[in-house]
Amino acid sequence: GAVVSQHPSRVICKSGTSVKIECRSLDFQATTMFWYRQFPKKSLMLMATSNEGSKATYEQGVEKDKFLINHASLTLSTLTVTSAHPEDSSFYICSANRAGTGETEAFFGQGTRLTVV
Amino acid sequence: ILNVEQSPQSLHVQEGDSTNFTCSFPSSNFYALHWYRWETAKSPEALFVMTLNGDEKKKGRISATLNTKEGYSYLYIKGSQPEDSATYLCAFTNQAGTALIFGKGTTLSVSS
Repeated sequence: GAVVSQHPSRVICKSGTSVKIECRSLDFQATTMFWYRQFPKKSLMLMATSNEGSKATYEQGVEKDKFLINHASLTLSTLTVTSAHPEDSSFYICSANRAGTGETEAFFGQGTRLTVV
Repeated sequence: ILNVEQSPQSLHVQEGDSTNFTCSFPSSNFYALHWYRWETAKSPEALFVMTLNGDEKKKGRISATLNTKEGYSYLYIKGSQPEDSATYLCAFTNQAGTALIFGKGTTLSVSS
């Protein structure tokens, strides 16, 4: 099966600092990765589509300067929450599709629980 | 706006009971419907991918059906076991290679 590793799984940071979350496809290449955020009692909400070698595509209402996405290789995408504030506290999870297959199945990381204090 | 609805939001059953959940999604521009099983502290695990109207998929005691014309899918669990306790997510996509649109999930709790 396809494995996606996401870390850290849990992070606590101070208000005003930045936090980087990594999403790595371990045994397949992913030209596209997706970043989701889950609010309490809500669906997984798509934040952005991370495209290898080009700029990420952000969903409406998601600040691209706040949530910096870099997809520098076919196996790694990073999400950096800049100048974090308590309202950024949430669960963030990434997914990746296998490149070149036309599949729609998404393989997920384990998620990151961010707490900003 | 594409919207995926799941019901019920949560469900509590006794071991041995059979149960089912519903997922409704936009019936126009359909490409694929996914079911995932998500246990706490783990990655969501793919259960089924369905693409054709009338599709029925089965994995052990779990099965799913798909009606693309009316925009719904059912997930069935026969003879629930405590290890079936998890959140079951339904996700829709209208195009290959694009992000999945998720429902809020149905959280199942099975008591022994």
